[in-house]
Amino acid sequence: QSVLTQPPSASATPGQRVTISCSGSSSNIGINYVHWYQQVPGTAPKLLIYRNNQRPSGVPDRFSGSKSGTSASLAISGLRSEDEGDYYCAAWDDSLSGPEFGGGTKVTVL
Amino acid sequence: QVQLVQSGTQVKEPGASVTVSCKASGYTFTTNGISWVRQAPGQGLEWMGWINTYNGDTTYAQKFQGRVTLTADTSTTTAYMELMSLRFDDTAQYYCARRGPGQFSTEDYWGQGTLVTVSS
Repeated sequence: QSVLTQPPSASATPGQRVTISCSGSSSNIGINYVHWYQQVPGTAPKLLIYRNNQRPSGVPDRFSGSKSGTSASLAISGLRSEDEGDYYCAAWDDSLSGPEFGGGTKVTVL
Repeated sequence: QVQLVQSGTQVKEPGASVTVSCKASGYTFTTNGISWVRQAPGQGLEWMGWINTYNGDTTYAQKFQGRVTLTADTSTTTAYMELMSLRFDDTAQYYCARRGPGQFSTEDYWGQGTLVTVSS
């Protein structure tokens, strides 16, 4: 049971927009940054968004992050087949003194 | 470019210990710590702990306290994770990842993963 709650799956057709939510609490998302990772099956996670809405170099601007209160979301616009994979949110949890991950959301491009 | 290269697949019996290594290159090893994260088959990501490679300080997730030891060798820019008293449910892919200090940082570069299988 993850501390951060994500929907198990999300899907859309190519070119559409998909949004993934991440719900936490006052000890994690409420007071700390949220980060997002993409994991293509069989590979290591890759940092996609850091500090709520910042993109590392090389990440397309089709990916965007936002945070409000104790929730955050990741949006993927102009969906492409290569965007299929698992997406995880993460945030430091003050009560645990470490980062917590969401359970992951599997994105399918229909 | 930043690279983290991990040691290969291991198979262990229940009750044994396993050590996974993580060789870092492409940056100054002591300016960022190393986190260890595991992923059981078909499951999500689970943070195990972090080592400050500058001074060797460690922080462990409560779940793994007493069973995991993180170390780092600055002369070879290699971090190590030892997990003891292995159980069947420790079967997982183990990842090392670079992380800065404090709660404002995150795991920005990851190793390729090391599969540890616990089997009798």
